[in-house]
Amino acid sequence: EAGVVQSPRYKIIEKKQPVAFWCNPISGHNTLYWYRQNLGQGPELLIRYENEEAVDDSQLPKDRFSAERLKGVDSTLKIQPAELGDSAVYLCASRGGGSSYNEQFFGPGTRLTVL
Amino acid sequence: DQQVKQNSPSLSVQEGRISILNCDYTNSMFDYFLWYKKYPAEGPTFLISISSIKDKNEDGRFTVFLNKSAKHLSLHIVPSQPGDSAVYFCAASDGNEKLTFGTGTRLTIIP
Repeated sequence: EAGVVQSPRYKIIEKKQPVAFWCNPISGHNTLYWYRQNLGQGPELLIRYENEEAVDDSQLPKDRFSAERLKGVDSTLKIQPAELGDSAVYLCASRGGGSSYNEQFFGPGTRLTVL
Repeated sequence: DQQVKQNSPSLSVQEGRISILNCDYTNSMFDYFLWYKKYPAEGPTFLISISSIKDKNEDGRFTVFLNKSAKHLSLHIVPSQPGDSAVYFCAASDGNEKLTFGTGTRLTIIP
């Protein structure tokens, strides 16, 4: 079974530029999460999807961040414009309906550096 | 406000000995706790979990202990192996599907 796929793995941009991250969850997983992990910290939830519906986006900075999950499969997370403080690892995770709701499978992440 | 705390940023243990990683929490509404393991350039991997109705859960070399009165949990790895070298994250949930993670402890197993 393939794991959660994320691309790109690394991204370096200048501040004020836009950037997008892509996630392909494990096949059949209806729940998808985007996390941000700052250096020396644990992951923090940005948004959770159940199929194509964003059911928890309370931690998503909506002035510059947006996300979508068309057709309830792949998802993209966008930042526009990026700021220096957005430098972090962005993790995508997914969970199948039959598993414990806490046991999420994580992708390798996208490391974003904003210069 | 750090609701889940891992006060030891790093820990070194001799191969074959016991590794004990600690985690404290402040939110009394947390009712489910998990440990994740993370290798460099990879995402966290689920390791073991425990419900608040239990005080111990064991899976092979890994045992998690929960002390609700002290709001403290620990992960025991015995015997420790070189492949256990990684960053370990403690996480907690209050039932709303949101995980709150600690800052992680880097475990190094010395051959």
